[in-house]
Amino acid sequence: DVKVTQSSRYLVKRTGEKVFLECVQDMDHENMFWYRQDPGLGLRLIYFSYDVKMKEKGDIPEGYSVSREKKERFSLILESASTNQTSMYLCASSPGLWTGEGSQPQHFGDGTRLSIL
Amino acid sequence: AQSVTQLDSQVPVFEEAPVELRCNYSSSVSVYLFWYVQYPNQGLQLLLKYLSGSTLVKGINGFEAEFNKSQTSFHLRKPSVHISDTAEYFCAVRDFGNEKLTFGTGTRLTIIP
Repeated sequence: DVKVTQSSRYLVKRTGEKVFLECVQDMDHENMFWYRQDPGLGLRLIYFSYDVKMKEKGDIPEGYSVSREKKERFSLILESASTNQTSMYLCASSPGLWTGEGSQPQHFGDGTRLSIL
Repeated sequence: AQSVTQLDSQVPVFEEAPVELRCNYSSSVSVYLFWYVQYPNQGLQLLLKYLSGSTLVKGINGFEAEFNKSQTSFHLRKPSVHISDTAEYFCAVRDFGNEKLTFGTGTRLTIIP
């Protein structure tokens, strides 16, 4: 079974801090995603990576960056945290389109609830 | 660009009654369709998926959904709900050839004992 592990379930940080959210998947998936979930807005894509060191902006990339140095790990970075980045952050992974398993769904971690004070 | 509409943000249902959660998407291109469930303080879990073939798909926990291409809909149904079905339900769509999912805003299902 696919397992996507997010390093923290709850995190409290202060404004201006640099914040790292870590995600690891164990299924050798090519694609990894970071979403933000807010009430009434559903899930919005922040960044997407389809290979090591490759990334693509999602719908709301402002204020965020990402890093993918190894295939199994995808990090979300808040360069200078602000209160409007208080949210639930979800990581997901899926096989690449070209693998023959590309129609398969995304698998999600349990989320990190981040509070910026 | 693809968009997904879940018109009902909250649906209260009595226990053992049937339920339908509605989902419509905008683009008529070929798509993959998914329903995810999120229990309190958890991530998203796949409930069911439509990739191709039969338009009626069955998922976990007694849920099923029907793909209607002409109406661009993928409504989720269950004939008899239980307290344990209390959760938020998200519809998601992926266009062929696209790696990314577009999500609806979610429907919170509340079961009334």
